[in-house]
Amino acid sequence: DVKVTQSSRYLVKRTGEKVFLECVQDMDHENMFWYRQDPGLGLRLIYFSYDVKMKEKGDIPEGYSVSREKKERFSLILESASTNQTSMYLCASSPGTGNNQPQHFGDGTRLSIL
Amino acid sequence: KQEVTQIPAALSVPEGENLVLNCSFTDSAIYNLQWFRQDPGKGLTSLLLIQSSQREQTSGRLNASLDKSSGRSTLYIAASQPGDSATYLCHPNSGGSNYKLTFGKGTLLTVNP
Repeated sequence: DVKVTQSSRYLVKRTGEKVFLECVQDMDHENMFWYRQDPGLGLRLIYFSYDVKMKEKGDIPEGYSVSREKKERFSLILESASTNQTSMYLCASSPGTGNNQPQHFGDGTRLSIL
Repeated sequence: KQEVTQIPAALSVPEGENLVLNCSFTDSAIYNLQWFRQDPGKGLTSLLLIQSSQREQTSGRLNASLDKSSGRSTLYIAASQPGDSATYLCHPNSGGSNYKLTFGKGTLLTVNP
């Protein structure tokens, strides 16, 4: 069974902390994505990666960075957490460009910044 | 940039009804279109994937259709059940070098017993 695993379901951090959200997939997918989901705004893309050590900014990259040192792992980093980064964070993966296979999502991380 | 609209935003029906959820998108140059289900506080679960060359795809009580040229897809749910209550999202996949996942904001479905 294919799997995208996010390291935490719930996380509480303080303003100014450096926060790491981890995502691992076991499907050998080239593409990995980080989204945040907020009521009324839907899913918004933060960053994505189409290969190891490659990254592209999404629609809302400010305040975030990412790391992809290995194909199976894509990390989202909040450099200095702020209260407006309280949200649901979703990781996804997909096969290479144009591949007609389903996208796969993790269960999400509910992050609260106090 | 692909823009996706889902109508209605929310829908409440009695158990047993057949219903249709709508998705429209602006860029018809897609490889496929995927429908997802999201339960409260959870991630997205893939329901159906329609390839660009297909007109429809079926899984159990679910049937998804695709009219690529007009930028529309529908998700038909037959004999709805309370367990179908969730948010349903569509994702038209444009692929290419600027490959991104673009979603509608979803339709919140409530099936009342």
